[in-house]
Amino acid sequence: GDSVTQMEGPVTLSEEAFLTINCTYTATGYPSLFWYVQYPGEGLQLLLKATKADDKGSNKGFEATYRKETTSFHLEKGSVQVSDSAVYFCALRFSGNTPLVFGKGTRLSVIA
Amino acid sequence: DTAVSQTPKYLVTQMGNDKSIKCEQNLGHDTMYWYKQDSKKFLKIMFSYNNKELIINETVPNRFSPKSPDKAHLNLHINSLELGDSAVYFCASSPGGQNQPQHFGDGTRLSIL
Repeated sequence: GDSVTQMEGPVTLSEEAFLTINCTYTATGYPSLFWYVQYPGEGLQLLLKATKADDKGSNKGFEATYRKETTSFHLEKGSVQVSDSAVYFCALRFSGNTPLVFGKGTRLSVIA
Repeated sequence: DTAVSQTPKYLVTQMGNDKSIKCEQNLGHDTMYWYKQDSKKFLKIMFSYNNKELIINETVPNRFSPKSPDKAHLNLHINSLELGDSAVYFCASSPGGQNQPQHFGDGTRLSIL
């Protein structure tokens, strides 16, 4: 079945460090890909998305590129802030009424 | 003007009790979902409704029964609560279309004593 694999956390970085969170997927066909972020005590918020190969999603300094050849959607940010500390989820989705398939989440802690 | 709202935010109860969690969305979306997030933060779909009709029911015990009185509401009723039901439950909604993101509520943290 369809699945999403994310790098295990936790990831601890100093402020202004470069961030990469790896995400790969297994799916038959071409899903839409998403990154969601969950801040402590809150629900999930959409961070960015990409809907077809070579699309780049970006938001709040975060970027991810849909790579069909490597079935990947790695999340990157050039300079993290303490306020970026959260759990990040990679997810995929096929048709309009289907639920998201989530990775296990990666906890990021940014220290000043 | 909350888009997807769940109540209650916290629910603490004894084993064996019956409880309900309510969810409402004011986004005009056709599809609503319930997800369960366990203690390790893993998120798994439980149910999906489209225009009040059940379209996905993952391997969830019969003790869990979703009810959708209209397409803006999807409530979750749980009978005979067990220790393993302790988790955070998230409601979400989305419009049609593969490319559309889902909008999540803030979650209901259920703790079984």
